Amino acid sequence: RKEVEQDPGPFNVPEGATVAFNCTYSNSASQSFFWYRQDCRKEPKLLMSVYSSGNEDGRFTAQLNRASQYISLLIRDSKLSDSATYLCVGNTDKLIFGTGTRLQVFP
Amino acid sequence: DTGVSQDPRHKITKRGQNVTFRCDPISEHNRLYWYRQTLGQGPEFLTYFQNEAQLEKSRLLSDRFSAERPKGSFSTLEIQRTEQGDSAMYLCASSLAGEAEQFFGPGTRLTVL
Repeated sequence: RKEVEQDPGPFNVPEGATVAFNCTYSNSASQSFFWYRQDCRKEPKLLMSVYSSGNEDGRFTAQLNRASQYISLLIRDSKLSDSATYLCVGNTDKLIFGTGTRLQVFP
Repeated sequence: DTGVSQDPRHKITKRGQNVTFRCDPISEHNRLYWYRQTLGQGPEFLTYFQNEAQLEKSRLLSDRFSAERPKGSFSTLEIQRTEQGDSAMYLCASSLAGEAEQFFGPGTRLTVL
């Protein structure tokens, strides 16, 4: 079983839609969690950190539930430019990535 | 540009050849990481350095792989006797010790024929 598991998608949504991604992790040693965004043939870039209290950055909301080892990312009012792969990541000094969830936003 | 840089960006080689990749981290970052990413997968950890010390190596890093960071600045990753299964994107990242965020370079895409 992979340490971080995600639904690979793809999620195909129209512009303006709200889409939610989920991720589960099995390594309780992970100290912190993140969502990274990766565009096609590019390097991953940090999208946001994930906290138990939840955090919001514009149209993006991330949530961590340590009891159920579950992480979520909500994107509201999807834009065409949101099309990318979203990687769920745990951190134990090294980063542990999920396979990524591919999002395609269409006009 | 003061981000992480990697060289070369692309490498095509024949099976059995040796290849070496270079990574230049963000200058003040003392930690440097190597990851490998294959199609449809997330990056997988290979190894990391704090300054010149190699602190951890993944079991993915077979004897054919060696990484160095001799002066605590740039790092090299060498693959000896390449195999087709080594074809992947090799990503380098850097960070400050104690800081969780890692900054990635553009990667070196290796194709082994």
